Amino acid sequence: DVKVTQSSRYLVKRTGEKVFLECVQDMDHENMFWYRQDPGLGLRLIYFSYDVKMKEKGDIPEGYSVSREKKERFSLILESASTNQTSMYLCASSLSGTGALNTEAFFGQGTRLTVV
Amino acid sequence: AQSVTQLDSHVSVSEGTPVLLRCNYSSSYSPSLFWYVQHPNKGLQLLLKYTSAATLVKGINGFEAEFKKSETSFHLTKPSAHMSDAAEYFCVVRITGNQFYFGTGTSLTVIP
Repeated sequence: DVKVTQSSRYLVKRTGEKVFLECVQDMDHENMFWYRQDPGLGLRLIYFSYDVKMKEKGDIPEGYSVSREKKERFSLILESASTNQTSMYLCASSLSGTGALNTEAFFGQGTRLTVV
Repeated sequence: AQSVTQLDSHVSVSEGTPVLLRCNYSSSYSPSLFWYVQHPNKGLQLLLKYTSAATLVKGINGFEAEFKKSETSFHLTKPSAHMSDAAEYFCVVRITGNQFYFGTGTSLTVIP
């Protein structure tokens, strides 16, 4: 079974803490994504990476950063957590390039983060 | 510009009746289209995908979707709803090699 694994299902952190969300995929995918999911807003892209050490901002990058030191691992970092970052965070991976246009994204189980 | 519109944020059906979840897209290019399902507190699971082969696509759990280019639609259907179908459903478009564009989701309730 192909897998995208997120390190935590549930996290509770305090305001101002630095928070790391980890994601690992075993499919040798070039692309990896971090989304945030909130009721009524669907999935919003925070950052994505198309190669090791490469990243691009998505729709809502403010307050977040990412790291991709190895192909299989993509980390989302909340530099100073705030209560408005309480949300469900989803990691995904996919093949890259025009030849992969008809292939899907694979998702992790999600991390529900609560900032208090 | 590309976008995905899911026309209903909530749909309720009785168990055993048909399901219709509507999706319209806009794209300057020939897209690939996907439907995903998300059960509570879970990740997204692929239901089916359209990739410019047959316009009627069959997926898992009895779902199917029809690509209609003239209407720029990709509606999801199922002949008979089951209680286990209650979930959130997302229509997704892929136009380039890297990005996916998500609809805002449709919450399906199945009434016993």
